[in-house]
Formats: sequence, C-alpha cells, structure tokens
Amino acid sequence: QKEVEQDPGPLSVPEGAIVSLNCTYSNSAFQYFMWYRQYSRKGPELLMYTYSSGNKEDGRFTAQVDKSSKYISLFIRDSQPSDSATYLCAMRGISSGSARQLTFGSGTQLTVLP
Amino acid sequence: DAGVIQSPRHEVTEMGQEVTLRCKPISGHNSLFWYRQTMMRGLELLIYFNNNVPIDDSGMPEDRFSAKMPNASFSTLKIQPSEPRDSAVYFCASSRLAGGETQYFGPGTRLLVL
Repeated sequence: QKEVEQDPGPLSVPEGAIVSLNCTYSNSAFQYFMWYRQYSRKGPELLMYTYSSGNKEDGRFTAQVDKSSKYISLFIRDSQPSDSATYLCAMRGISSGSARQLTFGSGTQLTVLP
Repeated sequence: DAGVIQSPRHEVTEMGQEVTLRCKPISGHNSLFWYRQTMMRGLELLIYFNNNVPIDDSGMPEDRFSAKMPNASFSTLKIQPSEPRDSAVYFCASSRLAGGETQYFGPGTRLLVL
C-alpha cells in the first residue's frame, strides 16, 4: 500500500464548476500538507501549503486537512480552463533529516471545459 | 529571478550510453532534490542534498545512478550505463534549508533511452 493515495482521474468538469480533489495517507507522522499544480510539460509549482489540521483559503482555492481521517482536499471554486493541469498532493513529517523529504501522490489530471 | 535551471531539456540516447543531467538551483537555496517522474510510478525522490552534502539517496534505483553537488550552484545526476527503463522526466528542485516546505522545481529533462 502506498503511503499517499490519490485518484489519478482524469477528471473533466465544465467551466464554473466546483472541483474537489482528494488524497488519503497512512503515515500519522505527516504534519505538513501541500498541493502542487503541474501544467503539461512543466515542473510542479506549489499551490497551497497547510500545517496540521484545518482549512486554508487563497482566492478560488481552499485546502482542507483532516488528520483524524488522514484525508486532505483541495477545492477549486469557479473553475477556469486555465486550471486544467495535474494536481499533486504532497506531505512530510515535522522532523529534520530524512523526514523533511516530501511524499507525493500520483496526481489527478483535471480538465476544465470552456 | 531565474528559477531552477536544468539542462538539457530533452535527451535521446541509446542503451548503454552515459547520460549526465545538470541542475542549477536558485541562488541562496541550500537544499537540492532530484526526482524522477513516470506515468507508472509518479514523482519519486531519488536523492537530496543539504549544503552540498547528500542526505538521503535511498531513492536511487541502483548503482548505475550517481549524483554529485560539487558546489552550492551546481549538481549533476549521471546514469551509466543507461537502459530503456530509465526513460522518464527528471526534475531538480531546490528550497531553503530552514522551513523548506516550498520546493521550487525546474522545467525537467525528458530522457528517452532507445
């Protein structure tokens, strides 16, 4: 079983829809949770970052972390064609050394249709 | 800000040849990460350096892979001899050692081994 599970999709939605992307994880030591966006033929770029449980909002994007369920979500409101990309969740523990490395989900491919 | 620079962007080689990938991290960043991305396995961490010192190379698939960081502004990932199963996109990322949750990725090198 992978430490981080993410539905690969593909997910296709109409413009303006609310998108929900999710990851589950098994390592209770994970404390930092991130969402990266990767456009085709580009490197991943950090979209959202949260520490421990709770919600974080940034414009049309909301990240949620539920540590009790080991479940994280990214919501995109009023989705736009420019949001079409692969979204990867990533997480790591709080300690130094090897625990600083990120564990990535496999990514969900999203297409927003105009 | 130039971002993380990788070269070459594309590499096509024949099985058995040596391949060298290069990375220049963002100035002032003291952590550097090498990743490999494939459709089957997603984004995998190969090795990472802190202050030019390799910290964790447990992700390096086998002895054919080696990585060096001779100074703070340059790193190489070498595959010798290359095999078709090494075909992937190789990303370099860098971050600040303190609070290094934000990893900045380069554009990647697309490697095809025939």
